Amino acid sequence: GAGVSQSPSNKVTEKGKDVELRCDPISGHTALYWYRQRLGQGLEFLIYFQGNSAPDKSGLPSDRFSAERTGESVSTLTIQRTQQEDSAVYLCASSLDVLTVNQPQHFGDGTRLSIL
Amino acid sequence: AQTVTQSQPEMSVQEAETVTLSCTYDTSESDYYLFWYKQPPSRQMILVIRQEAYKQQNATENRFSVNFQKAAKSFSLKISDSQLGDAAMYFCAYRSPGYALNFGKGTSLLVTP
Repeated sequence: GAGVSQSPSNKVTEKGKDVELRCDPISGHTALYWYRQRLGQGLEFLIYFQGNSAPDKSGLPSDRFSAERTGESVSTLTIQRTQQEDSAVYLCASSLDVLTVNQPQHFGDGTRLSIL
Repeated sequence: AQTVTQSQPEMSVQEAETVTLSCTYDTSESDYYLFWYKQPPSRQMILVIRQEAYKQQNATENRFSVNFQKAAKSFSLKISDSQLGDAAMYFCAYRSPGYALNFGKGTSLLVTP
């Protein structure tokens, strides 16, 4: 597609429920990144995928968070047993690859997750 | 670990005036890039300008320019002839090969008529 697409745009759920957030990267981009942005804060790195290599999960805050990506296509970020502290905007980005530093990351509009 | 610090939570500028947003970073790497992103209320992150660490010449994109001081690890953004549409959160970010972007906490820019 023309840009990075994320769905849903907004998600409200009850504490303890599981949620899935979806990201569709720009076609041809081998690198895909997930970030979390809490209210009034900067972006925190969560995880990135580069082609078929093992993902870098170093930013995931707990084992309740996981993500999958099939090939160089759609990625899903899953949060199990949600807590109120998980409320944030979750942003996805993609780039041509992770090693070419000058390649910019293109961001989606994010999913605003609210845990009641 | 690399850290990015934006010491100005909020800044204000009058339309047509110039404003400078500050950013400092800490790294032991030699190969890296620095970026400024703009985030309007729509939430989308928009790349404003980028600077390669190896280049001494400061990057410029129309009304946006940077002052890159590598020895001081400083990377400030200057916005000239400010416009109402420049109002947004501005994030400074650092990136080295094989890593994702490392962001500062942001500066909220208010543009007054």
